[in-house]
Amino acid sequence: AQTVTQSQPEMSVQEAETVTLSCTYDTSESNYYLFWYKQPPSRQMILVIRQEAYKQQNATENRFSVNFQKAAKSFSLKISDSQLGDTAMYFCAFMNRYSGAGSYQLTFGKGTKLSVIP
Amino acid sequence: SAVISQKPSRDICQRGTSLTIQCQVDSQVTMMFWYRQQPGQSLTLIATANQGSEATYESGFVIDKFPISRPNLTFSTLTVSNMSPEDSSIYLCSVQGVGRGWSYEQYFGPGTRLTVT
Repeated sequence: AQTVTQSQPEMSVQEAETVTLSCTYDTSESNYYLFWYKQPPSRQMILVIRQEAYKQQNATENRFSVNFQKAAKSFSLKISDSQLGDTAMYFCAFMNRYSGAGSYQLTFGKGTKLSVIP
Repeated sequence: SAVISQKPSRDICQRGTSLTIQCQVDSQVTMMFWYRQQPGQSLTLIATANQGSEATYESGFVIDKFPISRPNLTFSTLTVSNMSPEDSSIYLCSVQGVGRGWSYEQYFGPGTRLTVT
C-alpha cells in the first residue's frame, strides 16, 4: 500500500514571500501521479497542480511549482508571491497508474495548514 | 474540469436515522468516488460508484452502512445509514474522466457537512 507523509502540520508565510510545503511518499510502483490539492475554509477541494512520475520536468502552474525528486520519493510544493487567498489546508496525494482493482484511488497525506500573514 | 454539486450542503441528524447525499455533475464522467473527511483529518476513500453495478468498497466500509447508487454517468448518491455521532464528517464526491474521456485528474464537489447528535 502507498503512504503519503506531510511532515509540516502548520506553516505560515508573509504575504508576497515564498513558501515550500513538503511531501514524501512510499511506493513500489514506477508509474504514478502526484497531486497537490488546496482546501480553503469553504472546504471545496481544488486541484492545484499535478505531476506524472515518468516526466522529469517539474510541473508549474502560475505561482505554484513542484520539486519532484523521484529517487528520493519527494514532491514539494513551492508557492511564490504568496497571497492572502492562498490560506488553506494543502494536501499531497498519490495515484497509481495502472488498471485493475484499486486503480485511480487517491491516497492523501494528512495535510499542511498554511496561513498567509498580511 | 466539471461543475459538481452536492445536496444537502450540510445537515444535522439524529442518531439511528439515515441521510442520502446527492452528487450531480454537469457533464458525463467516467468515474465517480465518495470520500469521507473526519473533523481535522485527511480524506479517506469510501467507495467507487460504478454505473449500473454495485459500488466497490474500500476496507472498513460496507454496503449496508454506506449504500451507493449510480444510475447514470452524471449522478450518484451515498446514503449514511443508522447514523451514530462517529459518522459526523464531511462527505465529498469526486469525478474523473470528464466527457467520458480518460484523465487521471480527480475533481471534487463542495462536500456535505454531516453532524449526528
